[in-house]
Amino acid sequence: DAGVTQSPTHLIKTRGQHVTLRCSPISGHKSVSWYQQVLGQGPQFIFQYYEKEERGRGNFPDRFSARQFPNYSSELNVNALLLGDSALYLCASSLANWQSYEQYFGPGTRLTVT
Amino acid sequence: EDKVVQSPLSLVVHEGDTVTLNCSYEVTNFRSLLWYKQEKKAPTFLFMLTSSGIEKKSGRLSSILVKKELFSILNITATQTGDSAIYLCAVDRGSEKLVFGKGTKLTVNP
Repeated sequence: DAGVTQSPTHLIKTRGQHVTLRCSPISGHKSVSWYQQVLGQGPQFIFQYYEKEERGRGNFPDRFSARQFPNYSSELNVNALLLGDSALYLCASSLANWQSYEQYFGPGTRLTVT
Repeated sequence: EDKVVQSPLSLVVHEGDTVTLNCSYEVTNFRSLLWYKQEKKAPTFLFMLTSSGIEKKSGRLSSILVKKELFSILNITATQTGDSAIYLCAVDRGSEKLVFGKGTKLTVNP
């Protein structure tokens, strides 16, 4: 079975630009969460989507937005990029039912803002 | 404010050694504690702990949660160079929002 997939793997952008990151969850998983991992830190929660609805939002500015599609894939958008947005962006999926809610991570997208 | 603290932040051992990694937490609405191994990019799921005092094992790795004292440990016996990685501890507050610690960077030398 395919795991969580993310695209692109690497991305270089200039300050002020916009970026869209994509995530496909494990088949059957309905919940997708996004995390930002800055070098030397643990991942920080950005968003969680379940059944196309936003269920949770972390402490990130409005420049960050996301959505989930009918096939449960998801996009993370970041506007007006800042140097501090340079990080590894991780997507995680889970079944999100009462029996199983372990989150499984994708390989991440490495974003560099210059 | 929710907090997950891992110690030590960095550890260097020789192959064959046993290591113990620590994770303490202060969160509201605790649901579970998860351990992940991160080698290059994707954190790989190791364990999820919900009940106190019950040890989970997978090969040379084991973990236990002590809810009363708000901590968990991850043990790795007979370490190998392939165990070199960052080990992340995260707490699920019941809303699918994981709160992560900074991680412990383990280096196993031959």
